[in-house]
Amino acid sequence: AQKITQTQPGMFVQEKEAVTLDCTYDTSDPSYGLFWYKQPSSGEMIFLIYQGSYDQQNATEGRYSLNFQKARKSANLVISASQLGDSAMYFCAMSLRDDKIIFGKGTRLHILP
Amino acid sequence: KAGVTQTPRYLIKTRGQQVTLSCSPISGHRSVSWYQQTPGQGLQFLFEYFSETQRNKGNFPGRFSGRQFSNSRSEMNVSTLELGDSALYLCASSFGGNQPQHFGDGTRLSIL
Repeated sequence: AQKITQTQPGMFVQEKEAVTLDCTYDTSDPSYGLFWYKQPSSGEMIFLIYQGSYDQQNATEGRYSLNFQKARKSANLVISASQLGDSAMYFCAMSLRDDKIIFGKGTRLHILP
Repeated sequence: KAGVTQTPRYLIKTRGQQVTLSCSPISGHRSVSWYQQTPGQGLQFLFEYFSETQRNKGNFPGRFSGRQFSNSRSEMNVSTLELGDSALYLCASSFGGNQPQHFGDGTRLSIL
Protein backbone atom coordinates (compact mmCIF):
# COMPACT_ATOMS: atom_id res chain seq x y z
CA ALA A 1 0.00 0.00 0.00
CA GLN A 2 1.17 3.51 -0.74
CA LYS A 3 1.36 5.49 2.44
CA ILE A 4 3.11 8.34 4.26
CA THR A 5 3.53 8.08 8.01
CA GLN A 6 4.40 10.95 10.32
CA THR A 7 4.63 9.54 13.82
CA GLN A 8 5.02 12.81 15.72
CA PRO A 9 1.67 14.60 16.06
CA GLY A 10 3.34 17.44 17.97
CA MET A 11 6.80 18.63 18.97
CA PHE A 12 8.15 21.34 21.26
CA VAL A 13 11.64 22.61 20.56
CA GLN A 14 13.72 25.40 22.05
CA GLU A 15 14.55 28.29 19.73
CA LYS A 16 17.92 27.94 17.93
CA GLU A 17 18.00 24.18 18.35
CA ALA A 18 17.93 21.84 15.37
CA VAL A 19 14.73 19.92 14.72
CA THR A 20 14.14 16.61 12.97
CA LEU A 21 10.64 15.80 11.76
CA ASP A 22 10.13 12.16 10.92
CA CYS A 23 8.57 10.79 7.77
CA THR A 24 8.46 7.24 6.48
CA TYR A 25 6.89 6.19 3.22
CA ASP A 26 5.76 3.04 1.53
CA THR A 27 5.56 2.45 -2.19
CA SER A 28 6.62 -0.19 -4.67
CA ASP A 29 7.05 2.37 -7.48
CA PRO A 30 10.74 2.85 -8.36
CA SER A 31 10.12 6.47 -9.35
CA TYR A 32 8.67 8.89 -6.82
CA GLY A 33 9.17 12.31 -5.30
CA LEU A 34 9.17 13.31 -1.67
CA PHE A 35 8.23 16.77 -0.44
CA TRP A 36 7.82 18.74 2.72
CA TYR A 37 5.33 21.55 3.19
CA LYS A 38 4.86 24.07 5.98
CA GLN A 39 1.42 25.32 6.93
CA PRO A 40 1.35 28.29 9.34
CA SER A 41 -1.81 29.12 11.25
CA SER A 42 -2.83 31.45 8.41
CA GLY A 43 -3.52 28.35 6.31
CA GLU A 44 -1.34 28.61 3.22
CA MET A 45 0.76 25.58 2.28
CA ILE A 46 4.36 26.55 1.64
CA PHE A 47 6.58 24.22 -0.37
CA LEU A 48 9.89 23.70 1.44
CA ILE A 49 11.98 21.01 -0.17
CA TYR A 50 11.92 18.19 -2.74
CA GLN A 51 13.82 14.91 -3.12
CA GLY A 52 13.54 12.66 -6.16
CA SER A 53 13.85 8.92 -5.65
CA TYR A 54 16.87 8.76 -7.97
CA ASP A 55 18.68 11.72 -6.44
CA GLN A 56 21.99 10.63 -4.95
CA GLN A 57 22.48 13.65 -2.72
CA ASN A 58 20.22 14.80 0.09
CA ALA A 59 18.27 17.91 -0.84
CA THR A 60 19.01 21.16 0.98
CA GLU A 61 17.28 24.55 0.88
CA GLY A 62 18.72 27.11 3.25
CA ARG A 63 18.02 25.93 6.81
CA TYR A 64 16.04 22.94 5.55
CA SER A 65 17.57 19.61 4.58
CA LEU A 66 15.96 16.32 3.76
CA ASN A 67 17.63 13.25 5.24
CA PHE A 68 16.77 10.68 2.56
CA GLN A 69 17.43 7.05 3.51
CA LYS A 70 16.05 5.03 0.64
CA ALA A 71 16.65 1.57 2.11
CA ARG A 72 14.80 2.55 5.27
CA LYS A 73 12.15 4.42 3.28
CA SER A 74 12.52 7.52 5.37
CA ALA A 75 12.62 11.18 4.39
CA ASN A 76 13.10 13.19 7.55
CA LEU A 77 13.11 16.98 7.46
CA VAL A 78 15.88 18.69 9.40
CA ILE A 79 15.54 22.35 10.31
CA SER A 80 18.76 23.87 11.57
CA ALA A 81 18.83 26.76 14.05
CA SER A 82 15.06 26.89 14.58
CA GLN A 83 13.29 30.22 14.75
CA LEU A 84 9.98 31.29 16.31
CA GLY A 85 8.57 31.67 12.80
CA ASP A 86 9.10 27.96 12.21
CA SER A 87 6.13 27.20 14.46
CA ALA A 88 3.62 25.61 12.09
CA MET A 89 2.17 22.34 10.85
CA TYR A 90 4.55 20.35 8.65
CA PHE A 91 3.40 17.83 6.07
CA CYS A 92 5.42 15.15 4.34
CA ALA A 93 4.11 14.12 0.92
CA MET A 94 4.94 11.67 -1.85
CA SER A 95 4.20 11.88 -5.55
CA LEU A 96 3.96 8.72 -7.64
CA ARG A 97 4.31 7.85 -11.29
CA ASP A 98 0.62 8.45 -12.01
CA ASP A 99 0.96 11.92 -10.42
CA LYS A 100 -1.04 10.83 -7.40
CA ILE A 101 0.09 12.77 -4.32
CA ILE A 102 -0.17 11.26 -0.86
CA PHE A 103 0.12 13.39 2.27
CA GLY A 104 0.94 12.42 5.82
CA LYS A 105 -1.21 13.60 8.72
CA GLY A 106 1.30 16.26 9.69
CA THR A 107 3.42 17.25 12.68
CA ARG A 108 2.67 20.41 14.63
CA LEU A 109 5.93 22.09 15.58
CA HIS A 110 6.08 24.61 18.42
CA ILE A 111 9.25 26.66 18.81
CA LEU A 112 9.72 27.93 22.37
CA PRO A 113 11.47 31.24 23.07
CA LYS B 1 6.21 34.73 -11.36
CA ALA B 2 2.62 34.72 -10.11
CA GLY B 3 1.67 31.93 -7.73
CA VAL B 4 -1.47 29.86 -7.59
CA THR B 5 -4.51 32.09 -7.22
CA GLN B 6 -7.69 30.92 -5.58
CA THR B 7 -10.91 32.87 -5.47
CA PRO B 8 -12.77 33.70 -3.40
CA ARG B 9 -10.73 33.62 -0.18
CA TYR B 10 -13.77 33.35 2.06
CA LEU B 11 -17.29 32.17 1.39
CA ILE B 12 -20.37 31.72 3.54
CA LYS B 13 -23.22 29.59 2.26
CA THR B 14 -26.26 27.84 3.70
CA ARG B 15 -27.20 24.18 3.56
CA GLY B 16 -28.60 23.06 0.23
CA GLN B 17 -26.90 25.75 -1.81
CA GLN B 18 -24.16 25.11 -4.32
CA VAL B 19 -20.77 26.76 -4.65
CA THR B 20 -18.07 27.14 -7.29
CA LEU B 21 -14.45 27.74 -6.38
CA SER B 22 -11.83 28.89 -8.84
CA CYS B 23 -8.13 28.18 -9.18
CA SER B 24 -5.62 29.74 -11.56
CA PRO B 25 -2.40 27.70 -11.64
CA ILE B 26 1.14 28.91 -12.05
CA SER B 27 1.87 29.70 -15.69
CA GLY B 28 3.06 26.57 -17.49
CA HIS B 29 1.61 24.15 -14.93
CA ARG B 30 -0.85 21.73 -16.46
CA SER B 31 -1.70 19.67 -13.40
CA VAL B 32 -4.20 21.06 -10.90
CA SER B 33 -5.25 19.24 -7.74
CA TRP B 34 -7.89 20.05 -5.16
CA TYR B 35 -7.84 19.20 -1.46
CA GLN B 36 -10.23 19.57 1.44
CA GLN B 37 -8.75 20.31 4.84
CA THR B 38 -10.68 20.06 8.09
CA PRO B 39 -9.46 19.85 11.70
CA GLY B 40 -10.97 16.39 12.10
CA GLN B 41 -10.02 14.72 8.81
CA GLY B 42 -6.83 16.55 7.93
CA LEU B 43 -5.84 17.05 4.30
CA GLN B 44 -7.93 14.96 1.93
CA PHE B 45 -7.42 14.67 -1.81
CA LEU B 46 -10.44 15.51 -3.96
CA PHE B 47 -9.29 15.21 -7.57
CA GLU B 48 -6.54 16.07 -10.03
CA TYR B 49 -6.79 17.40 -13.57
CA PHE B 50 -4.18 17.41 -16.29
CA SER B 51 -4.81 18.94 -19.70
CA GLU B 52 -8.55 19.13 -19.07
CA THR B 53 -8.81 15.45 -18.07
CA GLN B 54 -9.51 14.17 -14.58
CA ARG B 55 -6.71 11.69 -13.87
CA ASN B 56 -7.10 10.96 -10.19
CA LYS B 57 -10.05 11.09 -7.83
CA GLY B 58 -10.37 10.81 -4.08
CA ASN B 59 -13.19 9.27 -2.07
CA PHE B 60 -15.74 12.06 -2.12
CA PRO B 61 -19.42 11.89 -3.08
CA GLY B 62 -20.62 12.95 -6.50
CA ARG B 63 -21.71 16.32 -5.07
CA PHE B 64 -18.07 17.31 -5.48
CA SER B 65 -17.09 17.87 -9.09
CA GLY B 66 -14.51 19.79 -11.00
CA ARG B 67 -13.27 20.74 -14.40
CA GLN B 68 -10.23 22.21 -16.06
CA PHE B 69 -10.21 24.62 -18.96
CA SER B 70 -7.83 24.79 -21.90
CA ASN B 71 -5.80 27.52 -20.15
CA SER B 72 -5.33 25.11 -17.17
CA ARG B 73 -7.58 27.15 -14.88
CA SER B 74 -9.77 24.90 -12.80
CA GLU B 75 -13.07 25.14 -11.02
CA MET B 76 -14.49 22.99 -8.27
CA ASN B 77 -18.21 22.75 -7.66
CA VAL B 78 -20.03 21.45 -4.60
CA SER B 79 -23.78 20.99 -4.86
CA THR B 80 -26.36 20.54 -2.12
CA LEU B 81 -24.02 21.84 0.55
CA GLU B 82 -23.95 20.15 3.95
CA LEU B 83 -22.67 21.45 7.27
CA GLY B 84 -19.78 19.00 7.02
CA ASP B 85 -18.54 20.67 3.86
CA SER B 86 -17.23 23.56 5.96
CA ALA B 87 -13.50 23.43 5.33
CA LEU B 88 -10.45 25.04 3.81
CA TYR B 89 -10.29 24.08 0.13
CA LEU B 90 -6.80 24.13 -1.30
CA CYS B 91 -5.77 24.08 -4.91
CA ALA B 92 -2.29 23.10 -6.03
CA SER B 93 -0.59 23.13 -9.41
CA SER B 94 2.50 21.48 -10.82
CA PHE B 95 4.19 20.50 -14.08
CA GLY B 96 3.22 16.90 -13.28
CA GLY B 97 5.57 13.92 -13.33
CA ASN B 98 6.70 13.80 -9.69
CA GLN B 99 7.34 17.55 -9.59
CA PRO B 100 6.37 19.50 -6.44
CA GLN B 101 2.91 20.97 -6.13
CA HIS B 102 2.54 24.64 -5.29
CA PHE B 103 -0.50 25.65 -3.32
CA GLY B 104 -2.78 28.64 -3.37
CA ASP B 105 -3.89 30.40 -0.19
CA GLY B 106 -7.12 28.42 -0.14
CA THR B 107 -10.81 29.20 0.03
CA ARG B 108 -12.34 29.01 3.48
CA LEU B 109 -15.91 27.80 3.07
CA SER B 110 -18.36 28.06 5.94
CA ILE B 111 -21.79 26.46 5.80
CA LEU B 112 -24.48 27.85 8.08
